[in-house]
Amino acid sequence: KQEVTQIPAALSVPEGENLVLNCSFTDSAIYNLQWFRQDPGKGLTSLLLIQSSQREQTSGRLNASLDKSSGRSTLYIAASQPGDSATYLCALHGSSNTGKLIFGQGTTLQVKP
Amino acid sequence: EAGVAQSPRYKIIEKRQSVAFWCNPISGHATLYWYQQILGQGPKLLIQFQNNGVVDDSQLPKDRFSAERLKGVDSTLKIQPAKLEDSAVYLCASSLVVSGELFFGEGSRLTVL
Repeated sequence: KQEVTQIPAALSVPEGENLVLNCSFTDSAIYNLQWFRQDPGKGLTSLLLIQSSQREQTSGRLNASLDKSSGRSTLYIAASQPGDSATYLCALHGSSNTGKLIFGQGTTLQVKP
Repeated sequence: EAGVAQSPRYKIIEKRQSVAFWCNPISGHATLYWYQQILGQGPKLLIQFQNNGVVDDSQLPKDRFSAERLKGVDSTLKIQPAKLEDSAVYLCASSLVVSGELFFGEGSRLTVL
């Protein structure tokens, strides 16, 4: 059974710092992996989608990597800003057929001015 | 492009009452999902539709939860009768294809007293 884990559950950093959020999964047979951002009381906003054949994706100050063999994905945020404060969730599709997205618990990030 | 629309945003009911949530996906998206997110946890899939057919409802508590997508566009999720543990945010999402990138609505927050 696929399990997705995000550690730490919470993270606090000073503004301007570069940081890495971690996501690990138990079954390397994945179809794709998606990173989301969730602000308090809001829905999920898609940040990046990495296909299983890809190693990384970039969007602005965000860079997501995927290493299937080690069962890990990381989300790198460069030059963090207070507006980056939110909960970040990773989720993956195990196959191309089911569509079921399996989520981690999320990491709540606070960027202090 | 309009995003996923959900209503109502907030609902407070007494236990044993009923409630219904509505979702309109992004135009052209064949796949629609309902997720339940309990505070502090990642979303959990309740049901997935492909057009108007059910693909996965394995985690839907069918004794009290029901969902339909009659015309393959918008969808309704109903809870009857509600229990205290149903207090959560109910998120609707859609994707263009199965296992494609998911886009979420703002969610419907349910409080059961």
